[in-house]
Amino acid sequence: GAVVSQHPSRVICKSGTSVKIECRSLDFQATTMFWYRQFPKQSLMLMATSNEGSKATYEQGVEKDKFLINHASLTLSTLTVTSAHPEDSSFYICSAGRQGGNEKLFFGSGTQLSVL
Amino acid sequence: QKEVEQDPGPLSVPEGAIVSLNCTYSNSAFQYFMWYRQYSRKGPELLMYTYSSGNKEDGRFTAQVDKSSKYISLFIRDSQPSDSATYLCAMDQGGKLIFGQGTELSVKP
Repeated sequence: GAVVSQHPSRVICKSGTSVKIECRSLDFQATTMFWYRQFPKQSLMLMATSNEGSKATYEQGVEKDKFLINHASLTLSTLTVTSAHPEDSSFYICSAGRQGGNEKLFFGSGTQLSVL
Repeated sequence: QKEVEQDPGPLSVPEGAIVSLNCTYSNSAFQYFMWYRQYSRKGPELLMYTYSSGNKEDGRFTAQVDKSSKYISLFIRDSQPSDSATYLCAMDQGGKLIFGQGTELSVKP
């Protein structure tokens, strides 16, 4: 089956630093990738939709300048958390899908970000 | 009111029991309904995908959709300890997924 690789799986950083998370589709091309955020015991909340070759579409309340998304190729999208603060500590998950609908969506293994 | 409501549990059952997981929703425009399984600190894995009202079966799993009541269910037969995970319902909204909070399930040997 299709695989979505997410890296790193865990990162600990100091407050004020920036962290980059990568999401790769390993055996298919993804024109669209999605970035989610999940707090403990909470649901996945969609942050933004990443579109290859164009600007990402952010959900209401998500700061564009803080969560920078780059989708430079059909197999790679990156999420950069800029000037991270402790309240940004969360589990970040990406997903990507083949064309054809949500049944073809595959999720990465997630990145646990801890900001000290 | 949240668009998708799901009892967070936790739900604990003995091995072999039938498990019933449920979600309600408020947006009648939802057309696609999914159930995901998520192990701790991992990405969700798609279990079931349904489009219309009715039942869909896959092995020990049965997904049920009742659009008139805005209610979906996932049944797990002959539950196993390996089924212990968080189960999330999700619904499609114009290509975006709206997730329930997830129900934490523990199957005791």
